[in-house]
Amino acid sequence: AQSVTQLDSQVPVFEEAPVELRCNYSSSVSVYLFWYVQYPNQGLQLLLKYLSGSTLVESINGFEAEFNKSQTSFHLRKPSVHISDTAEYFCAVSEGNAGNMLTFGGGTRLMVKP
Amino acid sequence: DAGVTQSPTHLIKTRGQHVTLRCSPISGHKSVSWYQQVLGQGPQFIFQYYEKEERGRGNFPDRFSARQFPNYSSELNVNALLLGDSALYLCASSWGRGGGTEAFFGQGTRLTVV
Repeated sequence: AQSVTQLDSQVPVFEEAPVELRCNYSSSVSVYLFWYVQYPNQGLQLLLKYLSGSTLVESINGFEAEFNKSQTSFHLRKPSVHISDTAEYFCAVSEGNAGNMLTFGGGTRLMVKP
Repeated sequence: DAGVTQSPTHLIKTRGQHVTLRCSPISGHKSVSWYQQVLGQGPQFIFQYYEKEERGRGNFPDRFSARQFPNYSSELNVNALLLGDSALYLCASSWGRGGGTEAFFGQGTRLTVV
């Protein structure tokens, strides 16, 4: 069975500083990887995804994540965060031969301070 | 364009009661999935329906059931409510169910069991 571990439950960071949110997964088959963001009292929004091809994927708002198969990781990074990035971030995986049902990590709360 | 809509947004129920949550997918989407998000945790997969048939079930008791209608909307039913059923229930729709297919989430229904 697949599982997802987000190593940090909370990450405080000052505005304009870089940030990395860590995600590791376990699966015995090929996987698709996702990062979702959840703002207070809202649903989940897709931030970026890795399906195949280039291991570095980017979002439109400056986030990027790199798929590392050997380390089974999919860490999320941003070189300079804004106050508006304060939210809960979830890493998720779906297995290649099991449809698009998602297994989520426990989430990381990113708190950007002025 | 209307996104995934869920109703009601909030409700309060008493232990032992029954509840029905509703979800309307994005127009053209044939797959609906349900997730439970307990406060402070990541979402947990409950069910997936595609073309009105159950295609996946998570590790939830038989008190949880769901169905999908000919117009692809869906209901999640929970019988004999327990305090532990208090959570945000998220519905996600996608056009298909192949691995890597993007899932679009609704705002969720906040269920409180007292």
